[in-house]
Amino acid sequence: DIVMTQSPDSLAVSLGERATINCKSSQSVLYNSNNKNYLAWYQQKPGQPPKVLIYWASTRESGVPDRFSGSGSGTDFALTISSLQAEDVAVYYCQQYYTTAITFGQGTRLEIK
Amino acid sequence: QLQLQESGPGLVKPSETLSLTCTVSGASISSSGYYWGWIRQPPGKGLEWIGSVYYSGSTYYNPSLKSRVTISVDTSKNQFSLKLSSVTAADTAVYYCARHAEIAVVACWFGPWGQGTLVTVSS
Repeated sequence: DIVMTQSPDSLAVSLGERATINCKSSQSVLYNSNNKNYLAWYQQKPGQPPKVLIYWASTRESGVPDRFSGSGSGTDFALTISSLQAEDVAVYYCQQYYTTAITFGQGTRLEIK
Repeated sequence: QLQLQESGPGLVKPSETLSLTCTVSGASISSSGYYWGWIRQPPGKGLEWIGSVYYSGSTYYNPSLKSRVTISVDTSKNQFSLKLSSVTAADTAVYYCARHAEIAVVACWFGPWGQGTLVTVSS
């Protein structure tokens, strides 16, 4: 299985500041034939199911605010919130779909400082 | 609008079989061409993919759970189901059903998701 490791486990950022969450895969999730990274990011608020924010490592889901962006390639990825809003308080997860044995990171809790 | 709803017992005894059903509304499982999956989340912990099924009955399972999991589809009821055998307290979790996001592809992200149902394993 591909192991996904997120850092940090928790993060406190001031309103309006930038927040960056990292995700590292135990092997590359870049498929050379189409040059796509098989990685998604989700946001989960308390009592709600996860909601996809980003797929193909950097493609924003329809309706997701443009303050959310994804970057990285191969084994190292990041989710960046350019200007933190109160409604962004949540747990964020990365997920690889390079193999059919789909795996998630352990999650990063984002709070307001 | 596509909606998914999990249903089933909220309490299961150790060593017994957990059974859940996901009812899909707003789209046909058999004609939509998507894979449909189960994901679980122990209280206060992260997400674990359990497995997924296609309308044809083709399945993919998490290797770590494969020996205990059966996922099936009932296109006449527009439902798919999860059975997890020989449960222990470690199987206590919120169980979500979700649709895979790309047609005919299991290796992709999920969306939309059901609201989830808590299953507790306890005697």
